[in-house]
Amino acid sequence: DQQVKQNSPSLSVQEGRISILNCDYTNSMFDYFLWYKKYPAEGPTFLISISSIKDKNEDGRFTVFLNKSAKHLSLHIVPSQPGDSAVYFCAVLTQGGSEKLVFGKGTKLTVNP
Amino acid sequence: DVKVTQSSRYLVKRTGEKVFLECVQDMDHENMFWYRQDPGLGLRLIYFSYDVKMKEKGDIPEGYSVSREKKERFSLILESASTNQTSMYLCASAAMITYEQYFGPGTRLTVT
Repeated sequence: DQQVKQNSPSLSVQEGRISILNCDYTNSMFDYFLWYKKYPAEGPTFLISISSIKDKNEDGRFTVFLNKSAKHLSLHIVPSQPGDSAVYFCAVLTQGGSEKLVFGKGTKLTVNP
Repeated sequence: DVKVTQSSRYLVKRTGEKVFLECVQDMDHENMFWYRQDPGLGLRLIYFSYDVKMKEKGDIPEGYSVSREKKERFSLILESASTNQTSMYLCASAAMITYEQYFGPGTRLTVT
């Protein structure tokens, strides 16, 4: 059973518009969440994270929102740029004392010029 | 900058061969991880290690083993490669006090 779900395999937006990528998780005990970006033939790179004590974290054009009651997080990219075209993975830190991340299946974002 | 390197970008092996994938990190990180990435399945954890000579199974350890003899190096071993192990293999490292993992460029393994 998936602990982390990214229900949209792909998303296409116009340059300059907002991109919103969504992620749902199942365990209300999860308390740290991350977003990674992956270009083809490269390893994922860390983008932004958020702790469960916050509901928003912002870094330049990237903002992550956390809705704990809905067990939902989202990544907003404003304005979107063609270089943002990549696969985006959300990840959650699992419990149990080991720093394991569980990743969603990813959403492929295409930003059209 | 954190650097995680993997020994090969592309590898082609035959069914039944023993395969070694090497990963080296230069940031003195305690934690190291091996994932595989398959289309539609995302990143799945194979094994991880939080100290030298320590290892723990991830979500899909079957058919794999690992070795961590030095802090900076984490090896993934396919004892007898099979076609269903054709995949992109990604190594990552992380400091004990943080949760952000830093990934290598990946090894695209094809087993024929």
